[in-house]
Amino acid sequence: AQKITQTQPGMFVQEKEAVTLDCTYDTSDQSYGLFWYKQPSSGEMIFLIYQGSYDEQNATEGRYSLNFQKARKSANLVISASQLGDSAMYFCAMREGEDSGGSNYKLTFGKGTLLTVNP
Amino acid sequence: KAGVTQTPRYLIKTRGQQVTLSCSPISGHRSVSWYQQTPGQGLQFLFEYFSETQRNKGNFPGRFSGRQFSNSRSEMNVSTLELGDSALYLCASSLAWLRSPGELFFGEGSRLTVL
Repeated sequence: AQKITQTQPGMFVQEKEAVTLDCTYDTSDQSYGLFWYKQPSSGEMIFLIYQGSYDEQNATEGRYSLNFQKARKSANLVISASQLGDSAMYFCAMREGEDSGGSNYKLTFGKGTLLTVNP
Repeated sequence: KAGVTQTPRYLIKTRGQQVTLSCSPISGHRSVSWYQQTPGQGLQFLFEYFSETQRNKGNFPGRFSGRQFSNSRSEMNVSTLELGDSALYLCASSLAWLRSPGELFFGEGSRLTVL
């Protein structure tokens, strides 16, 4: 079974509107971390936001927020007020074993969602 | 501060050759990990190094190897190249302190084409 599932291969949004990118995950670990990355056409992976499994509050970073629903094992990314520069691939990723002293830096990525922001 | 630097950015090799890719992490970062990105398989973890020791290894054949130097710079090597090795190879560095949020900072990648 896939550990990270992103069910939306592509999404379109109008500039200045909000958009939600879906991500569900599968793990039996109690301690894990969830990440979202943006990959523009240049190839570089840009870190957007992080949510730890023990964090009770949803993470926010500027226009990005993570809608963390632990019981549903979902970690959706919400981008508010979309901008043309937000057009890119977006990857959800998980790191298991967060309580192993930070020694496990292996990320498992989803297949990604290609977001296109229309003017 | 300077980001993660990967060299070369683009390269073309033929089947059977070998290739070495280099990664210079952000200053002060001691963990370096490598990922392979292909259209079919997506992003897959190759290995991770910390203080010159390989701590984690993904499910790749022995043709894929790596090492880390005392200055935290890392290299990965792929021997006996196959067509399927064509990919974007991404390097990421992090502080690797205990219980850090663990953001991984990625380089722009080395795009390998095997003919």
